[in-house]
Amino acid sequence: NAGVMQNPRHLVRRRGQEARLRCSPMKGHSHVYWYRQLPEEGLKFMVYLQKENIIDESGMPKERFSAEFPKEGPSILRIQQVVRGDSAAYFCASSPRVRGDAQYFGPGTRLLVL
Amino acid sequence: GESVGLHLPTLSVQEGDNSIINCAYSNSASDYFIWYKQESGKGPQFIIDIRSNMDKRQGQRVTVLLNKTVKHLSLQIAATQPGDSAVYFCAEIRDDKLIFGTGTRLQVFP
Repeated sequence: NAGVMQNPRHLVRRRGQEARLRCSPMKGHSHVYWYRQLPEEGLKFMVYLQKENIIDESGMPKERFSAEFPKEGPSILRIQQVVRGDSAAYFCASSPRVRGDAQYFGPGTRLLVL
Repeated sequence: GESVGLHLPTLSVQEGDNSIINCAYSNSASDYFIWYKQESGKGPQFIIDIRSNMDKRQGQRVTVLLNKTVKHLSLQIAATQPGDSAVYFCAEIRDDKLIFGTGTRLQVFP
């Protein structure tokens, strides 16, 4: 049973470009979460999605960031017009249900903005 | 504000010794906690979880203790091995999302 998959593992972008990060949850999991981690810090919640629905986006910056989890295919975290401050590791986690279930993480995408 | 935090940023132990990593939380309504291990360049790895109706839970070489009176939990690793070297996070599930502390770096020396 494959774990949570993320790609790309590393992404380099210049300021002003767009970054697209993909996440495929574990088989049987229908809940996806995105977190951001700065060096030497803990992970910070960004957004929680179920298929075709955004449940909680309270951790998402108001501008330039968006997320989706379509009926078919992976979840996508999109960052438009990236700035250097967007450089971080972005992790996706999935769980089979909401209440009382642990979240299992993917390997992350490390975004570097030049 | 409410937080989940850790007492020590770095813990150094000798191989074979037991390790104890501590975590304090401030939300008395917290009812579900998870310990994660994160190795350099990797995603957090689930180690063990505990719910508020329990005081102790054991896994393979790991034990989590929860003291609701003082809002404190700990992760004990028995016979620490070099492969245990990593950053350890306690996290609370609150409103369907994980709230992480800043982490404790465990260094294992031969």
